[in-house]
Amino acid sequence: EVQLVESGGGLVKPGGSLRLSCVASGFAFSSYSMNWARQAPGKGLEWVSSFTTGGYIYYADSVKGRFTISRDNAMNSLYLQMNSLRAEDTAVYYCVRGHYNHDYWGQGTLVTVSS
Amino acid sequence: DVVMTQSPLSLPVTLGQPASISCRSSQSLVYSDGNTYLNWFQQRPGQSPRRLFYKVSNRDSGVPDRFSGSGSGTDFTLKISRVEAEDVGVYYCMQGSLWPRTFGQGTKLEI
Repeated sequence: EVQLVESGGGLVKPGGSLRLSCVASGFAFSSYSMNWARQAPGKGLEWVSSFTTGGYIYYADSVKGRFTISRDNAMNSLYLQMNSLRAEDTAVYYCVRGHYNHDYWGQGTLVTVSS
Repeated sequence: DVVMTQSPLSLPVTLGQPASISCRSSQSLVYSDGNTYLNWFQQRPGQSPRRLFYKVSNRDSGVPDRFSGSGSGTDFTLKISRVEAEDVGVYYCMQGSLWPRTFGQGTKLEI
């Protein structure tokens, strides 16, 4: 069974940093592109970043220069280092499997940016 | 960026009646390999998104056959032949053909 378990969310002040983690199980992690998506409270889904199997990395303009995606295939883990956090980054962050077709989503971890 | 436009944004339906959601993209979603990477997701209240369809019309395992996906190029549709109570939630289209990946605004289906 495919499982994606996110952790690392919490309350942080504007300008602060947070590192999210996603541990994957039930599939060959290194064979899949992995992504982060987010959903602000009461709002729609937003793609944040992707790390492909070929080592290509992509970011949404809204987070470029502030967020860094990484992965550790030996640990079956995906990460998102978030710096210079803003109020508008408040959201549930989801770990998502897939390149063209985002087939599995984790349960999400809530990040709240507030003073 | 590819803009994904869904309509309607709110969809009141009667149990047992059909429902239809439109998703239009600002550019063709036909990828260089000939595939069209258009996905549909369902998000029930309090849950993570669940994929219903990939590549326009390929139904995911466990998705009831009252759901169907169709379309091509820039124009796509999700249909429910007979709405059931468990179908309540928000439905999103998402394109995986171009960077950055983009989602539609979401369509809230309510009974």
